Amino acid sequence: QVQLVESGGGVVQPGRSLRLSCATFQFTFTHYAMHWVRQVPGKGLEWVAVISHDGHNQYYAESVKGRFTISRDDSRGTVFLQMNSLRPEDSALYYCARGGWKVVIADIDHWGQGTLVTVSS
Amino acid sequence: QSALTQPPSASGSPGQSVTLSCTGTSSDVGAYIFVSWYQQHPGKAPKLVMYEVSKRPSGVPDRFSGSKSGNMASLTVSGLQAEDEADYYCSSYAGRNNWLFGGGTKLTVL
Repeated sequence: QVQLVESGGGVVQPGRSLRLSCATFQFTFTHYAMHWVRQVPGKGLEWVAVISHDGHNQYYAESVKGRFTISRDDSRGTVFLQMNSLRPEDSALYYCARGGWKVVIADIDHWGQGTLVTVSS
Repeated sequence: QSALTQPPSASGSPGQSVTLSCTGTSSDVGAYIFVSWYQQHPGKAPKLVMYEVSKRPSGVPDRFSGSKSGNMASLTVSGLQAEDEADYYCSSYAGRNNWLFGGGTKLTVL
């Protein structure tokens, strides 16, 4: 079945950078848009970013625009989230999630288990 | 854009039906078919239980049904079972390549 496995989380100081990775399995990666969604433990979900299936288009939540970059490596079936200028309010569990089949605008259907990011001095 | 509005809690007895609501605006829930619902058990990843307002993914019991009226979407769980106890989040495409989620409803099976 579809599998998404995130990695790269950790504890980082404010202002520093972190790169998250999401390895995917059991589906044709190049056919799907991919998202990052975050969740403060015990709180709700917040959409972060999406990249189109062909990598040509990336879109971001206002709260991370200009600081975060989503990218993908089709040869490795992996999607990334480069997070720069991190703030304490970016602390959360970051989920990788699968989006639409060859379209950006669609519902998210599969989620990984998440990787925890803590921004603290 | 603000998050979608969900009541923080709901409950029902085994076998009963419960309806969870998700209120947005004419720019998100009211404007698009891309309204989805996710079930999240403690310590687990969200799981899709409804997409495009009323479509059930393969493997989700037909006890789950979805609907939308105006700016409000609903998820109804019929014949409540103990395993349905979880947090439920709604989501909607909100235009301009942006997605919104609700704050979640904790469903308790009494």
